[in-house]
Amino acid sequence: EPEVTQTPSHQVTQMGQEVILRCVPISNHLYFYWYRQILGQKVEFLVSFYNNEISEKSEIFDDQFSVERPDGSNFTLKIRSTKLEDSAMYFCASSEGGGASETQYFGPGTRLLVL
Amino acid sequence: AQKITQTQPGMFVQEKEAVTLDCTYDTSDQSYGLFWYKQPSSGEMIFLIYQGSYDEQNATEGRYSLNFQKARKSANLVISASQLGDSAMYFCAMREGDNDMRFGAGTRLTVKP
Repeated sequence: EPEVTQTPSHQVTQMGQEVILRCVPISNHLYFYWYRQILGQKVEFLVSFYNNEISEKSEIFDDQFSVERPDGSNFTLKIRSTKLEDSAMYFCASSEGGGASETQYFGPGTRLLVL
Repeated sequence: AQKITQTQPGMFVQEKEAVTLDCTYDTSDQSYGLFWYKQPSSGEMIFLIYQGSYDEQNATEGRYSLNFQKARKSANLVISASQLGDSAMYFCAMREGDNDMRFGAGTRLTVKP
């Protein structure tokens, strides 16, 4: 069964450094998402991406964050100048369509620790 | 205001028994989708079941069923014949139209042998 994959599974970085989190969505899916989950808290939406552009973003997704689809398979989240509070699990998800009925399938997550 | 409310931070159930995890939601949209995800201790988010706002029948997927009461804006997850492997966090989520998906705070289910 096709699945969303994410690399790396764990990332440790120093405050102020840039990190790139990578995702390979399910191949026939057209909508891509990033979420984050701070330890012990709920999952929070960051951004959605369709047709090579951001379709929606939350207030969390400020200028520190960017997303890119550099090729036909990868979808990346870049965090510039990481802060301690960026420590969280970051999930990539994808869906075939973009409507309310479309199931989003999540990757296994990247656990980011900012020191 | 909270869009998705899960009032049970933790639940216990005896193995082989059924358990209901509560979820209420707030929306003025007519078109929305409700989802349940399971998050085991390993951290991944596993899709379990979906209910559309226009669906007249309650969704079922194997041992999972959704008790959808539209007028009360509730979408409770029922897990029948609980297994030890069902111990996990369970998140209810809603998507209104094309908007982003909102998650509840989650319920930690522990299945006792």
